[in-house]
Amino acid sequence: GQNIDQPTEMTATEGAIVQINCTYQTSGFNGLFWYQQHAGEAPTFLSYNVLDGLEEKGRFSSFLSRSKGYSYLLLKELQMKDSASYLCAVMDSNYQLIWGAGTKLIIKP
Amino acid sequence: EPEVTQTPSHQVTQMGQEVILRCVPISNHLYFYWYRQILGQKVEFLVSFYNNEISEKSEIFDDQFSVERPDGSNFTLKIRSTKLEDSAMYFCASSEAAGGPYEQYFGPGTRLTVT
Repeated sequence: GQNIDQPTEMTATEGAIVQINCTYQTSGFNGLFWYQQHAGEAPTFLSYNVLDGLEEKGRFSSFLSRSKGYSYLLLKELQMKDSASYLCAVMDSNYQLIWGAGTKLIIKP
Repeated sequence: EPEVTQTPSHQVTQMGQEVILRCVPISNHLYFYWYRQILGQKVEFLVSFYNNEISEKSEIFDDQFSVERPDGSNFTLKIRSTKLEDSAMYFCASSEAAGGPYEQYFGPGTRLTVT
């Protein structure tokens, strides 16, 4: 079966750095996406990885290891507005997005 | 900035009734999607649509569901004979092409409540 695992909840301090991990087992792989979702709102795109390595975009970076079926999202200089759920999603061989349950990130002052 | 729009934002219906959820994808996008998210649960893929036909659908997307692009701008999801368990947020999304790196842009969602 297809499975994407990520921690249910994480807590971090404003100004700090946090790493949200995601492991996956899917039928085929056409890239991994990270989305941010504030409560009651739609997911918004953060990053895309299809090759191994690190993709950096401002305060956010995403890493992929295809051999390990592993990715992480790194958030630096955390701000209160970063409090949200972070969704890991893998595009399978049928170009369907398979979603993890999301990691709820709580930022404390 | 172009955006995906959805109407209504909230729909309340009685069990057994039919509902139509509407979406206007971004105008130059060619691929359209419907997702469902039950409260507190993960996003689930329902269906993808390209060139006026379904390209992929999930196990959830059974005969109760149908999609249509009735004109050049709207993309609709019809749910026949709604059940209590259909209560969820329904998101429409669109993308320029299938696959990465083409991100899917999500609409704000329609909250469907079946009573």
